[in-house]
Amino acid sequence: GEDVEQSLFLSVREGDSSVINCTYTDSSSTYLYWYKQEPGAGLQLLTYIFSNMDMKQDQRLTVLLNKKDKHLSLRIADTQTGDSAIYFCAERTSDTGRRALTFGSGTRLQVQP
Amino acid sequence: DAGVIQSPRHEVTEMGQEVTLRCKPISGHNSLFWYRQTMMRGLELLIYFNNNVPIDDSGMPEDRFSAKMPNASFSTLKIQPSEPRDSAVYFCASSLGQGSSEAFFGQGTRLTVV
Repeated sequence: GEDVEQSLFLSVREGDSSVINCTYTDSSSTYLYWYKQEPGAGLQLLTYIFSNMDMKQDQRLTVLLNKKDKHLSLRIADTQTGDSAIYFCAERTSDTGRRALTFGSGTRLQVQP
Repeated sequence: DAGVIQSPRHEVTEMGQEVTLRCKPISGHNSLFWYRQTMMRGLELLIYFNNNVPIDDSGMPEDRFSAKMPNASFSTLKIQPSEPRDSAVYFCASSLGQGSSEAFFGQGTRLTVV
């Protein structure tokens, strides 16, 4: 079955860049997502990338996809204390019978002032 | 739109009691998902519906769990009887179910079974 792996914890200083990594196993993954979860809240979509793309940039966020290695990363430039949260990588295929997302375990980002 | 609405936000119940969690998806969305989040297992898909029909319920832990979607604007997840190991945050999400369409999550219901 599908598997999505992430490191559990990342600590950075305010103003530095953060890079959160994710690996997945399903070669048929078509859509890859990054969600953010703040304490006591639901998941909020940050950005997504199609499997036929290598990179996507959206303001302070840069997503890099290495499809050959099944590796996805999220870079947050100029990290702020408000970026402290848990970041989830998720994937799904384009198979109409499999619309649900498979999530990684989440990476807790701690931003130190 | 107010987004995906879940109720209650918090539920504390005694072991053996029936628990019903409720979800109102975003109007117009045709896919609805129930996820469970625990420290040990992370986010697990329990079941999802497409056009009110259950498509994949392989994540439902056991017969004590049941989910229904009687119409496009309402779904329930029921646990009967509840057990302490069911304690978790239960999220409902909905999406348009097309292409890359994102899943919008509710705020979750934190269930504690004592």
